Amino acid sequence: QKEVEQNSGPLSVPEGAIASLNCTYSDRVSQSFFWYRQYSGKSPELIMSIYSNGDKEDGRFTAQLNKASQYVSLLIRDSQPSDSATYLCAVNTGFQKLVFGTGTRLLVSP
Amino acid sequence: KAGVTQTPRYLIKTRGQQVTLSCSPISGHRSVSWYQQTPGQGLQFLFEYFSETQRNKGNFPGRFSGRQFSNSRSEMNVSTLELGDSALYLCASSLADMNTEAFFGQGTRLTVV
Repeated sequence: QKEVEQNSGPLSVPEGAIASLNCTYSDRVSQSFFWYRQYSGKSPELIMSIYSNGDKEDGRFTAQLNKASQYVSLLIRDSQPSDSATYLCAVNTGFQKLVFGTGTRLLVSP
Repeated sequence: KAGVTQTPRYLIKTRGQQVTLSCSPISGHRSVSWYQQTPGQGLQFLFEYFSETQRNKGNFPGRFSGRQFSNSRSEMNVSTLELGDSALYLCASSLADMNTEAFFGQGTRLTVV
């Protein structure tokens, strides 16, 4: 079993819709969780961090964490074509070691 | 505030050679981590340094090594390059705490021919 799993996609949504990205992880003791956005040919860009159960909102982005289910999600409201990218879920397993999922490719069509 | 700076941005090396990549973290950040990104394996953790000490290491052969200097700048070295070492090498910096956010540099694209 992979430590961090994501659906590779692509996830296609129309402009203005809500995009829902999901991630599961296997290490129960993990304490911090991150979402990165990576455009083709670029480096990952941190967009959200979440440390406790529940929701965390930042602009159009909402991260959700459920430690009991070992599940992290990212909602993008009012999706824009510029949101088209690969979204990487990352779990900190200790001493700043991030374990990444393979990423979900999001396509937002105008 | 300047971000994470990696040099060089691109490198072409021949099999068997060695290479050194450099990373300057965000000012005030004392933890530097290195990752390898390939299309087949995704993003994989190489190692992490804090206060010139390696605190964590990924599952890579000993040909991959690193170090950190007293000003928190870090270098990684790959010896006896193989074709499979062709990848994007990314450096991330964080504050000293264990679970804080990590910010990536632009990466160094290494091609081994």
